[in-house]
Amino acid sequence: DIQMTQSPSSLSASVGDRVTITCRASQGISNDLAWFQQKPGKAPRALIYAASSLQSGVPSKFSGSGSGTEFTLTISSLQPEDFATYYCQQYKSYPITFGGGTKVEIK
Amino acid sequence: EVQLVESGGGLVQPGGSLRLACAASGFTFSTYWMNWVRQVPGKGLEWVAIIQNDGSNQWYADSVRGRFTISREDSKNSLYLQMNSLRDEDTAVYYCARRGFFDLWGRGTLVTVSS
Repeated sequence: DIQMTQSPSSLSASVGDRVTITCRASQGISNDLAWFQQKPGKAPRALIYAASSLQSGVPSKFSGSGSGTEFTLTISSLQPEDFATYYCQQYKSYPITFGGGTKVEIK
Repeated sequence: EVQLVESGGGLVQPGGSLRLACAASGFTFSTYWMNWVRQVPGKGLEWVAIIQNDGSNQWYADSVRGRFTISREDSKNSLYLQMNSLRDEDTAVYYCARRGFFDLWGRGTLVTVSS
């Protein structure tokens, strides 16, 4: 199985900050990586697929990069609605696996 | 409106069975691979199973293989998850999600396995 490791597991940031979350795969997954946002009590929301492609309707303040084993999700200017938990996911091979999540909290 | 709506969750005793359903609307369901994903409240996401668009192949997480069966009925735009031999650790919110990279999610249905 491919293990996905996210860092940090949590972070505190202020409105307007630039935030970067890292996801590492235990083996190469090309660019078969997605990112999700989840708020408490809600279903996850798809943000990015193919490592860097923005899902329809997702604002351009979100961006993804990387290939192989190391990936990043960047929020260019954090807004109040962006405080949530973020997950990465690999879909290169089965079982599909998720990172443990990064909780973005208000400083 | 493009959406997925899960149903069928509830309280079931260990060893029991439950069948979840996911109703799709607003898109051509028959052309998409579909998944079930679960989440223990307060914990992370766990992929459960995926079914090919024509239903010819399915893949499962080790934790549910042999107990859960994913299926679909394209004439009803519906996805199913038959869950047998349920265990306490199957307690979770179950989501259906579209495509290998989960571009669309339902709101989820809670399954509680408890005596």
